[in-house]
Amino acid sequence: DGGITQSPKYLFRKEGQNVTLSCEQNLNHDAMYWYRQDPGQGLRLIYYSQIVNDFQKGDIAEGYSVSREKKESFPLTVTSAQKNPTAFYLCASSNPGGLDTGELFFGEGSRLTVL
Amino acid sequence: RKEVEQDPGPFNVPEGATVAFNCTYSNSASQSFFWYRQDCRKEPKLLMSVYSSGNEDGRFTAQLNRASQYISLLIRDSKLSDSATYLCVAPPNNAGNMLTFGGGTRLMVKP
Repeated sequence: DGGITQSPKYLFRKEGQNVTLSCEQNLNHDAMYWYRQDPGQGLRLIYYSQIVNDFQKGDIAEGYSVSREKKESFPLTVTSAQKNPTAFYLCASSNPGGLDTGELFFGEGSRLTVL
Repeated sequence: RKEVEQDPGPFNVPEGATVAFNCTYSNSASQSFFWYRQDCRKEPKLLMSVYSSGNEDGRFTAQLNRASQYISLLIRDSKLSDSATYLCVAPPNNAGNMLTFGGGTRLMVKP
């Protein structure tokens, strides 16, 4: 079945460690996104990529990095520079013109906890 | 003013009740909006779109009031399974090309 797969689902890390969250899609979508969600909050955009080998900062990119070497993959690294990384991370993708229809396809999310 | 604002709730309603919640927006040029549903600790999923003509899908009705710059979501005959957080989403504006998510309104339907 087509969809977006995020891994790991749960992750614990110590302060000062970098961690990488995986996001893979087989929907053949050009655009991919990373969002962060904190308890009781809406989604905030970290990074997005509209095409392979290109990505743009979102509203809260500091302390994060991404790469888009393949169309189907958009991994997110949470670096030690991110001061408050404990959150729920959501990866999404969309069709061209998907923003006009408002439809983003989300993965199941990765819950990161910093100990 | 935030681009999209929602009352976080929770809205606690009995099964079978009708419930409505609003979402205000700041960009007067926006012509379409979206409601997403997010179950606890799950990913959001698109529920419905709303344009100036409104939208109805079964028990769910979404309206756009451009004069007052808010959208609404009405749920009739609430079911226990409607319990979730409902996110209001604005389309891309001139300053960017991303969707903007509201903080969500939590609905709890009780037996």
